[in-house]
Amino acid sequence: QLRLQESGPGLVKPSETLSLTCTVSGGSISSSSYSWGWIRQPPGKGLEWIGSIYYSGSTYYNPSLKSRVTISVDTSKNQFSLKLSSVTAADTAVYYCARRVLGFAGYFDYWGQGTLLTVSS
Amino acid sequence: QSVLTQPPSASGTPGQRVTISCSGSSSSIGSRTVNWYQQLPGTAPNLLIYNNNQRPSGVPDRFSGSKSGTSASLAISGLQSVDDADYYCAAWDDSLNAWVFGGGTKLTVL
Repeated sequence: QLRLQESGPGLVKPSETLSLTCTVSGGSISSSSYSWGWIRQPPGKGLEWIGSIYYSGSTYYNPSLKSRVTISVDTSKNQFSLKLSSVTAADTAVYYCARRVLGFAGYFDYWGQGTLLTVSS
Repeated sequence: QSVLTQPPSASGTPGQRVTISCSGSSSSIGSRTVNWYQQLPGTAPNLLIYNNNQRPSGVPDRFSGSKSGTSASLAISGLQSVDDADYYCAAWDDSLNAWVFGGGTKLTVL
């Protein structure tokens, strides 16, 4: 059974850079059938896609966040990571990592449990 | 403001059939497939419907999806108390070049 697990600091100060890692177990991140993404959910609000990465390292980001986002992959560790710079209180959210099945009818089929990241001084 | 529009709330009694709508545009639902997610309180979203009307293994056939033009719907028949959750629609948007979600619908089983 595929499992995704987010890890990160939990608390970040305003203007700093948020760093999160997603560890994939029960399957290989190096598959051409999937991409790997980050999605966040502010408390009490809806879902927002942040960006995704292929095992090759190719990325695509939400245009609304693109200037502040970097997603990378480490196939040797079966992990992918998110960096979000210049954070503000508006970036406080539960951050999920997820696997996306590729193709025209793509969809996110496996999700991590999520990690709450709070931006506060 | 979400790109896909859902009603904020819906309700029904056990055994009833309820539908949740999701309205988009020609660059999202109009040209792409729609997925639906169920989110129980305090948990991660769970894939409910993909490719407009396909159910992943393990999802009861009480759940069904449909799409017409730039709108989609999720129907739940034989409503049960365990269906009390938030429901989100999602699609790729060709104009925004981004995955977009609806704002979510809180379903209350009375």
